[in-house]
Amino acid sequence: QQQVKQSPQSLIVQKGGISIINCAYENTAFDYFPWYQQFPGKGPALLIAIRPDVSEKKEGRFTISFNKSAKQFSLHIMDSQPGDSATYFCAASTWSTLGRLYFGRGTQLTVWP
Amino acid sequence: DVKVTQSSRYLVKRTGEKVFLECVQDMDHENMFWYRQDPGLGLRLIYFSYDVKMKEKGDIPEGYSVSREKKERFSLILESASTNQTSMYLCASRGPRAPVAEAFFGQGTRLTVV
Repeated sequence: QQQVKQSPQSLIVQKGGISIINCAYENTAFDYFPWYQQFPGKGPALLIAIRPDVSEKKEGRFTISFNKSAKQFSLHIMDSQPGDSATYFCAASTWSTLGRLYFGRGTQLTVWP
Repeated sequence: DVKVTQSSRYLVKRTGEKVFLECVQDMDHENMFWYRQDPGLGLRLIYFSYDVKMKEKGDIPEGYSVSREKKERFSLILESASTNQTSMYLCASRGPRAPVAEAFFGQGTRLTVV
């Protein structure tokens, strides 16, 4: 059973538009929710992360929105650029998982110029 | 800068061969992980280790084993390679402040079994 469900699987956005990727989880013990970005030929790298004590975190054009009651969180990319074209993974973890991150299946984002 | 180094970027092996994938990290991290990445399936955890000589099965351990004799090195072993193990393999390490610690990934090993 997948612990973190991610949608959509792929996303095409025009340059300057807003990209939105959604994730949902069931385990209420999760207390750390990072997003990873992966470019072709590279390993994933941490983009931005949030703890459940806040509802939003913003870093530049990237924002995580977190809804604890709905057990959902999302990544918003404002003013999307062709350089943002990559695969994005949401993830979750908790102290009891021995350091393990549970990843969503990924979203392939393409930003057209 | 944390560095996770995987020994090979590309590997071609024959069916039935024993295959070793090596991963080394230089930040004294306790936790190390092996994932495989396939289109549409995301990152699937094969095995992870939270300390030297300690290992835990992930979601798809069948056909694989691991070894962690030293803290910095985590090896993935394919006992008898099969064509369905053709995939991208990613190693990662994570520091002691889990669950909030950042995971660092290697660049991956693309394994082809023929």
